[in-house]
Amino acid sequence: DQQVKQNSPSLSVQEGRISILNCDYTNSMFDYFLWYKKYPAEGPTFLISISSIKDKNEDGRFTVFLNKSAKHLSLHIVPSQPGDSAVYFCAASLIIQGAQKLVFGQGTRLTINP
Amino acid sequence: GAVVSQHPSRVICKSGTSVKIECRSLDFQATTMFWYRQFPKQSLMLMATSNEGSKATYEQGVEKDKFLINHASLTLSTLTVTSAHPEDSSFYICSARSPRQGKGALAKNIQYFGAGTRLSVL
Repeated sequence: DQQVKQNSPSLSVQEGRISILNCDYTNSMFDYFLWYKKYPAEGPTFLISISSIKDKNEDGRFTVFLNKSAKHLSLHIVPSQPGDSAVYFCAASLIIQGAQKLVFGQGTRLTINP
Repeated sequence: GAVVSQHPSRVICKSGTSVKIECRSLDFQATTMFWYRQFPKQSLMLMATSNEGSKATYEQGVEKDKFLINHASLTLSTLTVTSAHPEDSSFYICSARSPRQGKGALAKNIQYFGAGTRLSVL
């Protein structure tokens, strides 16, 4: 049962344009959502997060939107830069028996074309 | 710079040997650290939660006698893959959760990841 889904395995965007990465989830008990960026042979790097009580969080070029009714979140990167090319994972946080657990999506490979 | 350090980055071993992977939190004390496994083209799957000073909590289907976890200090957790076999070959990644409160530039209560360890068992 895939509780967090990233339905687009890859995305190609022209440099300077907006990149929109999408993520859907099924468990309404998730209380926090995060986006991580991952380069090959490296661990994920934390980008931005959003609490389930908010619908938007912005940090520089990165904005995360949360639509709780649709159980959908998205990451907007604008303007996109070549260095943004990486695999992006969305993750959802859940508290089970007092312990926090992260459930990850499958990832979306973003390629920024010059 | 790196917030969490993981070593080794790559290890090749013979079947039947044991391999130890270290995960160090460099910028904060982590009472809780996590171990994940990633198969090719798949997501990160949580294996276990490592709690400082107590036993690790393993996810369903993860053999605790196979994957030994020790969290002896607030900055170090180790994962030992005992009697490794080819099916244990994978990418193992650790994370440390930053404190909920305190000063500093790091985001609060966020998992910061190590660079991962590529294990190849021959």
